[in-house]
This record gives sequence, C-alpha cells and structure tokens, in this order.
Amino acid sequence: NAGVTQTPKFRVLKTGQSMTLLCAQDMNHEYMYWYRQDPGMGLRLIHYSVGEGTTAKGEVPDGYNVSRLKKQNFLLGLESAAPSQTSVYFCASSSQGSSNTGELFFGEGSRLTVL
Amino acid sequence: RKEVEQDPGPFNVPEGATVAFNCTYSNSASQSFFWYRQDCRKEPKLLMSVYSSGNEDGRFTAQLNRASQYISLLIRDSKLSDSATYLCVVIGSARQLTFGSGTQLTVLP
Repeated sequence: NAGVTQTPKFRVLKTGQSMTLLCAQDMNHEYMYWYRQDPGMGLRLIHYSVGEGTTAKGEVPDGYNVSRLKKQNFLLGLESAAPSQTSVYFCASSSQGSSNTGELFFGEGSRLTVL
Repeated sequence: RKEVEQDPGPFNVPEGATVAFNCTYSNSASQSFFWYRQDCRKEPKLLMSVYSSGNEDGRFTAQLNRASQYISLLIRDSKLSDSATYLCVVIGSARQLTFGSGTQLTVLP
C-alpha cells in the first residue's frame, strides 16, 4: 500500500534551473496539497487542488506552478529556482471530508537545495 | 502575530514523566483542531483530534479552551518512542489547515 509517493527525494539545483516534483497517490483522494517546511516556520501551503483539472494558490505560491492533469498526480514546478526555495517539500492528499477530520496523508518529503 | 503559535522547546523529560504542550491560535472563528506528530526527517502524521469536551487516547489527552484560544496536549508516562516534534493544526473559516511550527520533545532514558 504505497499511499503518497514523492519523487525525487533529494535534489540539488543551481540558481535559475528548473525542476518538477511529482506526487502520486493511490487512495483515490480528491484533494492534494504541496507544502514546504522550513526551520521555525512550520508547514506552509504552496498550492492545492480540490480535484482533477483544478488548482488554487495557498499561502506561499510565488515562484511555483502546479498541475493536476490526473486525479492521482499533483506536480509542483519551479521555473527558475532561487536559494530561498531551499526547503523540504511535502505533498499530501485527503478525502473530501478532510476539512472536518483534519487528516492529511503525507509523502515522505523531498529535500531541495538551491545553490 | 502568527495564526498558530507553539513553544518550540525543546522539552527534555525523563522516561515516565508527564509533559504538556500548549498551542495558541489567533482566529476566534477557527473550527477544528488537531495534533500531528513528526519524527525526525519524516513526514507528519495525525496523532489525534481535539474536541471541545477534551479527549483521551491512551496516554495522550487533548483539550481545547475556546475562551483563551489555546489547545493542549498532555502525555503521561512518557516513553522513549514519544520523542518527536508535535505539530498543532487549526482549521479556520476558510477550511484550510494551518500548522504550528512544532514543539520538540525528547524523552531521556
């Protein structure tokens, strides 16, 4: 039972390079999220999706783009990486009822370093 | 002021001790409250919900104080395996989850 899978798990980029993080979930969840976690800042929502073909901005969307072409996948793109985007990125998914249950299922995280 | 604030710790306690964490939230319209646990270099996982009347799950007790806008987590008879970071989570009127920055607990042998 894979749950939520993120790839890659580690990546080092140079400033200005682009990359895409892939999140895949096999739980048939409607909602998917991308968070970043920095020391002392907690988890901050970048973008989220409430269903296939839909995306919305979260708290810190600048410098990122997302796509949800298939229900099971949620892609996070960095078009021109900056050192401020060095962080640990977590993907999460939830059923429609998560806003009541509060339960998000997280991937293992992707550690990105931008030099 | 942050929407959700936690004492970052670290809390270092001996095995068997009782430890409590608080978390304050700024939005009085917040509707739901939760505690997540995050082990070092791992993903967060839901520990328990927090109900208005307070609730227990084994050695863990969660409480909500709406008047003072804080939630608490009490851990009794601490185990080494309880060492982790505990994240407070609040769902506000916009139905989005807001995470606190976490409280680090280390249980010492």
